[in-house]
Amino acid sequence: GAVVSQHPSRVICKSGTSVKIECRSLDFQATTMFWYRQFPKKSLMLMATSNEGSKATYEQGVEKDKFLINHASLTLSTLTVTSAHPEDSSFYICSASAKRGYEQYFGPGTRLTVT
Amino acid sequence: GENVEQHPSTLSVQEGDSAVIKCTYSDSASNYFPWYKQELGKRPQLIIDIRSNVGEKKDQRIAVTLNKTAKHFSLHITETQPEDSAVYFCAATGSARQLTFGSGTQLTVLP
Repeated sequence: GAVVSQHPSRVICKSGTSVKIECRSLDFQATTMFWYRQFPKKSLMLMATSNEGSKATYEQGVEKDKFLINHASLTLSTLTVTSAHPEDSSFYICSASAKRGYEQYFGPGTRLTVT
Repeated sequence: GENVEQHPSTLSVQEGDSAVIKCTYSDSASNYFPWYKQELGKRPQLIIDIRSNVGEKKDQRIAVTLNKTAKHFSLHITETQPEDSAVYFCAATGSARQLTFGSGTQLTVLP
């Protein structure tokens, strides 16, 4: 149980375009989803927290107009990187948490490369 | 907000030896402390966790200890094997259920 999928696993896009990443909880209802960014050989940095049906809460320094997060249902959250630039190239990982408990279940990640 | 420090950043041990990774946290309200193993290009994998009302937890070759007073917690891996080689992250979470990760430890187990 507690499986989280993420799509796509890899994406290459041109500078200035937008990319959407989907995160799904397959066998449980995720009241809260988290989005992280991880640069090579670095730790996971929380970008934002989203609760179903509410606006996402962004961490300091993360531009909400650039990284659009939607959590429209208890099983799906999306992250859209708008007007992507090469410095946005990174590994983006989502996680999901059920109503009870602290454990977060991680998706497999999306490798974004902006050329 | 929460700040988690982790050391060492790299650790090499001989196969069969023990490995210890230490973390400190700043927020006394934090009450959940997971440890993750991450292989290159993969998702973090939960290997063990501990809650603030417990001082120690063990699962086969892996154990975690927590000292709430000192605000530090440690991961202990005994009888290390080459497949234990990976990056290990500690994390802490509080009432908001947000994870703050340590900077990671690259563990290399030498055969």
